[in-house]
Amino acid sequence: QVQLQESGPGLVKPSQTLSLMCSVSAGSISSGDYHWSWIRQPAGKGLEWIGRLHSSGTTNYSPFLKSRVTMSFDTSKNQFSLKLTSVTAADTAVYYCARDGYCSGGYCYWDGSLHIWGQGTTVTVSS
Amino acid sequence: SYELTQPLSVSVALGQTARLTCGGNNIGNKNVHWYQQKPGQAPVLVMYRNNNRPSGIPEQFSGSNSGNTATLTISRAQGGDEADYYCQVWNSSTIMLFGGGTKLTVL
Repeated sequence: QVQLQESGPGLVKPSQTLSLMCSVSAGSISSGDYHWSWIRQPAGKGLEWIGRLHSSGTTNYSPFLKSRVTMSFDTSKNQFSLKLTSVTAADTAVYYCARDGYCSGGYCYWDGSLHIWGQGTTVTVSS
Repeated sequence: SYELTQPLSVSVALGQTARLTCGGNNIGNKNVHWYQQKPGQAPVLVMYRNNNRPSGIPEQFSGSNSGNTATLTISRAQGGDEADYYCQVWNSSTIMLFGGGTKLTVL
């Protein structure tokens, strides 16, 4: 069973860059079968999609965060990362990584369904 | 821009049927996914592509999507079904959207 695990600093100062990693326990993230997404959730609020990436190099970012977001792979470690620049208190949230899409009957479907999630990591932006 | 509208809260009597709605312009033309989130936990996919249950999700969960409304139906609701439920689509502008979420209370 594939598991995802987020890691990174729990506290980031305003104006600095938030950096998180997501480790994937099984399967190769470079197989091309799935996309890999980041989602966040401020305390007491709903889910907000940040973006996703695919091993082909394709990335899709939320238009609201696009100017500050970069996602990439570290295939040697079977991990993917999120970098969010110029953070403010509004970026304080639980950050989740998730596997996007599914494979069935020999085909893979990239429909945005998030079948596997990490447990989430809390990031606080404060001086 | 495209928006998904969910009621803030829905209440259902124990053992009865809960219907959670997700409204959007011509949402019937999109694939809608649903997530259940319990306090302090990560979301869990309970329905994908409108009416497909992932493995491990009980048959009491079903989904439909037509016109301007997608619906997640929970039959024989139990206390363990109390959670926040989010609908989600991947729209034509390559953007993933979530609804605001519905808090389900089982009375």
